[in-house]
Amino acid sequence: QSALTQPASVSGSPGQSITISCTGTTNDVGKFKFVSWYQKYPDKAPTLLIYEVRYRPSGVSDRFSGSKSGNTASLTILGLRPEDEAVYYCSSFTSANTGVFGTGTEVTVL
Amino acid sequence: VQLVESGGRVVQAGGSLILTCSASGFDFGNNAMHWVRQLPGKGLEWLTIITYDGGETHYADSMKGRVTISRDNQKNILYLYMKTLREEDTALYYCVKDLKFDPSMIYDFWGQGTPVTVSS
Repeated sequence: QSALTQPASVSGSPGQSITISCTGTTNDVGKFKFVSWYQKYPDKAPTLLIYEVRYRPSGVSDRFSGSKSGNTASLTILGLRPEDEAVYYCSSFTSANTGVFGTGTEVTVL
Repeated sequence: VQLVESGGRVVQAGGSLILTCSASGFDFGNNAMHWVRQLPGKGLEWLTIITYDGGETHYADSMKGRVTISRDNQKNILYLYMKTLREEDTALYYCVKDLKFDPSMIYDFWGQGTPVTVSS
């Protein structure tokens, strides 16, 4: 199972919006609703940001939103803040009943 | 919810290791559980899942035949047995809770990880 494809880095100024893409195949992102996003700070465990494509767990800011079209899922961060600097990973259920993560995107707030 | 991994250490290539994860704060026997790892300077890699009752397991192709996941729902403990370890298995290993009763590959709580170093 190959990793889902994400851009290596995305940057934006405070207050701007950015979108991170996550491209998979018809055997993972394109097939299942179980697409999720995670935020990871250095030396910290990842935290769940978005699950089932577009739902936010309790406590996650509504500045984070998710969507999917075909084999590509997207995470949008509205009103970028310095604390959003982190690495973001997407994840999907696969046809082999396994999990697969994206390659990770480093977000920089300029 | 608390997931506390242990067992990570320096091990020689070709050796074996058992990682454990002590779970608390939720009904452990009602959730699928996973192991995920992060190689140094790299991204996250999903390794394996076990269903709530241990009846079903699945493994990443990279680990098949070399790892076994198991659980003890009486003791609220998750295990990962690894054998024939390679230098490229050097990583931080996370114990992760599935959001759902049935496997969804959505990871809502993570432990802090236990480091494994495989030396040649």
